[in-house]
Amino acid sequence: DGGITQSPKYLFRKEGQNVTLSCEQNLNHDAMYWYRQDPGQGLRLIYYSQIVNDFQKGDIAEGYSVSREKKESFPLTVTSAQKNPTAFYLCASSAASGRAGNEQFFGPGTRLTVL
Amino acid sequence: EDQVTQSPEALRLQEGESSSLNCSYTVSGLRGLFWYRQDPGKGPEFLFTLYSAGEEKEKERLKATLTKKESFLHITAPKPEDSATYLCAVNPYLRSNYQLIWGAGTKLIIKP
Repeated sequence: DGGITQSPKYLFRKEGQNVTLSCEQNLNHDAMYWYRQDPGQGLRLIYYSQIVNDFQKGDIAEGYSVSREKKESFPLTVTSAQKNPTAFYLCASSAASGRAGNEQFFGPGTRLTVL
Repeated sequence: EDQVTQSPEALRLQEGESSSLNCSYTVSGLRGLFWYRQDPGKGPEFLFTLYSAGEEKEKERLKATLTKKESFLHITAPKPEDSATYLCAVNPYLRSNYQLIWGAGTKLIIKP
């Protein structure tokens, strides 16, 4: 079955640590995304990647880093510079842009908690 | 500033009681508007894309419509399994095809 997987489902981090969230897709999509979701707010874009070896900052990139070495994979690192990292993190992917904005398809999410 | 507002924040209905959710947007120009459903603790599930005013799309008990300033998600004779948070997102012309602006969602609760 085609889809997007994220791991782990739950992640606990101590202050000052970097952590990496995994995202893999087998939909053969070119574009991948990372969002952050906080209660009562809309999804906010952290980074996105249109093609392998290329990525762009979204609206809230500070304190995060990404890489895109393979089409299928787009890991997100939450660094110690991120002031308030506790949130629900969502990875998404979409096919190459067609008529208008891409339909984005989401993974199940990773809930990160800073202890 | 591009903005998306969803109302109401929460909506409680009895099973079979039809209603509508609203997504109003203020953007420079609209490439597309998207509706998603999100269950607690899970990722959003894609429902519809609307591109131009007057367009309508249907799926089971859901029907999405679009005007120049807002979109409605109509729910006809809802069932308890329709309970979820419904998210709206828009892709404005002044952003790339990849950048969406999201509303905060409407939490829908259907009581049996």
